Amino acid sequence: LAKTTQPISMDSYEGQEVNITCSHNNIATNDYITWYQQFPSQGPRFIIQGYKTKVTNEVASLFIPADRKSSTLSLPRVSLSDTAVYYCLLSEGLTGGGNKLTFGTGTQLKVEL
Amino acid sequence: KAGVTQTPRYLIKTRGQQVTLSCSPISGHRSVSWYQQTPGQGLQFLFEYFSETQRNKGNFPGRFSGRQFSNSRSEMNVSTLELGDSALYLCASSPGTSGGLSSYNEQFFGPGTRLTVL
Repeated sequence: LAKTTQPISMDSYEGQEVNITCSHNNIATNDYITWYQQFPSQGPRFIIQGYKTKVTNEVASLFIPADRKSSTLSLPRVSLSDTAVYYCLLSEGLTGGGNKLTFGTGTQLKVEL
Repeated sequence: KAGVTQTPRYLIKTRGQQVTLSCSPISGHRSVSWYQQTPGQGLQFLFEYFSETQRNKGNFPGRFSGRQFSNSRSEMNVSTLELGDSALYLCASSPGTSGGLSSYNEQFFGPGTRLTVL
C-alpha cells in the first residue's frame, strides 16, 4: 500500500509558480515529509523537508496543514531546468536509529517555454 | 566535500551470474542505504547499514545482500541474477545516528549503477 499519492504528471511554463500536492492519509507521528527531485539517469536530490506548518528554503516552500495528511511543494518561477520527477515521501524515523524512505510514484513535471 | 560515488556506473551480466556493486559515502557519513529503481516498481528500499551493521531491511529476497566496511564504504551483492534484477541501483549516505528515534537525516544519493541482466 503506497504511503503517498501524488499526480502522475504536471505541465507548466517558464516563470510560473508550480504547486504539487501530495496525500499521505496514514502518516505516522514520527514521519517527516520530504521532497526529492530526480533527473534521468541520476540519483534523487533532496529539495526540502518538514514536519508541520510551513518550511521555506532557497529553492522551494513546503506547506503542511495541521492534520499533516497532505503537503504541497511550491516551486516559484520554474524554468526549463526544473523539468524532472518530483517525489513526495515519508521519512520514517526508526527506533534503532536512521530513517527509512518510502518513495511513491512521483510527479513528472514538464516545463515549457 | 566529494559526493557519493558508485562503481561501476554500468554493468551487463547474464542470468545466473552474481554481481557486486560498490558505494563510497560522503566523508564522515556513517549510514549507507541502498535502493532499487525500476520503471514498474519505482524506488524501493533494499537495506541500510550503519557502523558495519545492517540496521534496516526492505522486502527483497536473500539473493540481495550487502556489507559495510570500517571506513563506511559499502558493497551490495546480488547472486543468481534474474532478468527482473535489471535496474538502477542507488546508494545514499547520511550522517546517521547511533540510536533512538531520530530527527530527519537528509540522504544524499549517488548517481547509481545501471545493471542490465541478459
